Amino acid sequence: DIQMTQSPSSLSASVGDRVTITCRASQGIRNSLAWYQQKSEKAPKSLIYSASSLESGVPSRFSGSGSGTDFTLTISGLQPEDFGTYYCQQYNSYPYTFGQGTKLEIK
Amino acid sequence: EVQLLESGGDLVQPGGSLRLSCAASGFNFNTYAMSWVRQAPGKGLEWVSTIDSRGLRTFYADSVKGRFTISRDTSKSTLFLQMNSLRADDTAVYFCARHQATLNEHFQHWGQGTLVTVSS
Repeated sequence: DIQMTQSPSSLSASVGDRVTITCRASQGIRNSLAWYQQKSEKAPKSLIYSASSLESGVPSRFSGSGSGTDFTLTISGLQPEDFGTYYCQQYNSYPYTFGQGTKLEIK
Repeated sequence: EVQLLESGGDLVQPGGSLRLSCAASGFNFNTYAMSWVRQAPGKGLEWVSTIDSRGLRTFYADSVKGRFTISRDTSKSTLFLQMNSLRADDTAVYFCARHQATLNEHFQHWGQGTLVTVSS
């Protein structure tokens, strides 16, 4: 199975900050990586797919990069509504696997 | 608007069975792969099972293989998860998710989830 490791596990940032979350795959997954945002264990929301494609309707302050084993989610200009837990997920091969999550708190 | 509405979650005893449903609307159900993802209380997301658009190919996490069965009814635009031999560690909110299109694509839309509690 492909293991996905996110860092950090949690972070606190201020409105307007630039925030970066990283995700590392235990083996190459090409660009088959998605990022999701979840608030209070409600339905996750897709933000980024194919490592760097922005989901329709998602603000442009969210961006993704990377390929192979190392990936990054960046929020440029943090907004109060961006709190929540962020998960990366690989869909290159079964079983699909998620990172353990990064809990983002707004200062 | 894409809508996914899960139902069927309940309190069930260990060893029992439960059938979850996910009613889909707002898109052509026949042309999208679908999945189930679960989240134990206070834990992260765990992929459970996937079915292709025609219902011909299915995939399962090792933790549920042989106990859970995913299926779909195109006439009712509904996804199912039959869960047998339930264990305490199956306790979770179960989300259904629609893929972007085919099997090897991300989960573009998610339902609100239904809670399954396995306890005596």
